[in-house]
Amino acid sequence: AQSVTQLDSHVSVSEGTPVLLRCNYSSSYSPSLFWYVQHPNKGLQLLLKYTSAATLVKGINGFEAEFKKSETSFHLTKPSAHMSDAAEYFCVVSDYGGSQGNLIFGKGTKLSVKP
Amino acid sequence: SQTIHQWPATLVQPVGSPLSLECTVEGTSNPNLYWYRQAAGRGLQLLFYSVGIGQISSEVPQNLSASRPQDRQFILSSKKLLLSDSGFYLCAWSGLLGGIIPEAFFGQGTRLTVV
Repeated sequence: AQSVTQLDSHVSVSEGTPVLLRCNYSSSYSPSLFWYVQHPNKGLQLLLKYTSAATLVKGINGFEAEFKKSETSFHLTKPSAHMSDAAEYFCVVSDYGGSQGNLIFGKGTKLSVKP
Repeated sequence: SQTIHQWPATLVQPVGSPLSLECTVEGTSNPNLYWYRQAAGRGLQLLFYSVGIGQISSEVPQNLSASRPQDRQFILSSKKLLLSDSGFYLCAWSGLLGGIIPEAFFGQGTRLTVV
């Protein structure tokens, strides 16, 4: 069955330090994977997506993620956190099957950035 | 290209009033369509999904209903709103881009406040 697990509900980093938001997935098919960001009282903004091309995906605002099939992971990273990165981040899986159509959200990771 | 339109962006409704949120997609055919809700401080909760015209699956029993009168139109409704219906409502679609690659798009969301 499909599933998405965001391993941390809350991550806190200092400004200028690296960011790592973890996402593991389970899929019986060849999935596409997405990271979305939601700032307070705002809609979802696409950061980056993996759709079977290069496994290292670069997104907006300096974020990137690496698709590792052997580890079933799609962790989001950024070398240096900025105060404006404070938001909630969602990992999403889309594939061919599953009972809930084929779009599964993780529960989200709230990123706090300390000055 | 694929786009998704969701409106209105914000809505304030009195308790007991009806609700109708509309979502339409362009640039794709036979998409899977979804309605999610995010209550304050919570993750995204799948409310309904649809794999075709007139086919609606409900994930959570509640005061809401959904309809899909056309292939690219998905409507979320309520006959009488409750205070607990307040939240952020998000429409999404997923499908196979080029018939091969799973893809997903999200609307900008509707922030509903029931007063």
